[in-house]
Amino acid sequence: GAVVSQHPSWVICKSGTSVKIECRSLDFQATTMFWYRQFPKQSLMLMATSNEGSKATYEQGVEKDKFLINHASLTLSTLTVTSAHPEDSSFYICTRDSLHVNTEAFFGQGTRLTVV
Amino acid sequence: AQSVTQLDSHVSVSEGTPVLLRCNYSSSYSPSLFWYVQHPNKGLQLLLKYTSAATLVKGINGFEAEFKKSETSFHLTKPSAHMSDAAEYFCVVSALDSSYKLIFGSGTRLLVRP
Repeated sequence: GAVVSQHPSWVICKSGTSVKIECRSLDFQATTMFWYRQFPKQSLMLMATSNEGSKATYEQGVEKDKFLINHASLTLSTLTVTSAHPEDSSFYICTRDSLHVNTEAFFGQGTRLTVV
Repeated sequence: AQSVTQLDSHVSVSEGTPVLLRCNYSSSYSPSLFWYVQHPNKGLQLLLKYTSAATLVKGINGFEAEFKKSETSFHLTKPSAHMSDAAEYFCVVSALDSSYKLIFGSGTRLLVRP
C-alpha cells in the first residue's frame, strides 16, 4: 500500500488565491520530506526540502515567500502556493526521506494544480 | 555534482519487440541509480534500482537494467514490449548527501504501437 499520501490529487483555483497541498508519511515519522515540481512535458525538479521543526531549504530559483512549506509534525508536510498565477500550474509531488541509504524514495500521488 | 542524461526524449516500438531506453550518469562517487515510470496523470512508480550490488538489476514488469561503470550507463531494457508499457520513464540518481535528494533525467516517453 501507499506509504506517502498526498492530497488533493487535483485542484483548480482562481488567479490570486492560495492553495495548500498536504503530504503525509503513513508508515513512519519522517524528519525530512521533499517537494518536486513537474511542468508539462518536462522532468521533475526539486523545489525544496522540508525539515521537521525548522525552516525548509529551497532550491535556487524557487521563491520561498511564494511556496510556503510547513513541516509541523513528523508525519505531515504542507506546501502552500500563495497568490497563485497561471504560470504556477504544474504537477507537484512529494516524497519522504528514505529509511536507509540506497533505498527508494516513496512518492505521493501528486497534485495537479491548474490556476485559471 | 551528480547528473543524469536520458539520450532519447521519445522511443517508439511495436508491441512484442524489445525496448531500450538509454541513460548515462555522471557522479564523483559510486551512485545509486533508479528507473521510475510515470503513467499519464499519475505519480511515480519504482521499476528497479542499482545500489552497488549486482550490476544487472531486475525490476518489475519484466524490465531490467545493467550498470556499466566503464560506460557510465544504466540503460533500461525489456525483451518484449506490451501496450501497457506506454508511459514516461525517468532515470534518476541519488545525491546521497544527508538529504538523499533525487536528480531526475529529462525523461523518455515510450510509445508502443499495436
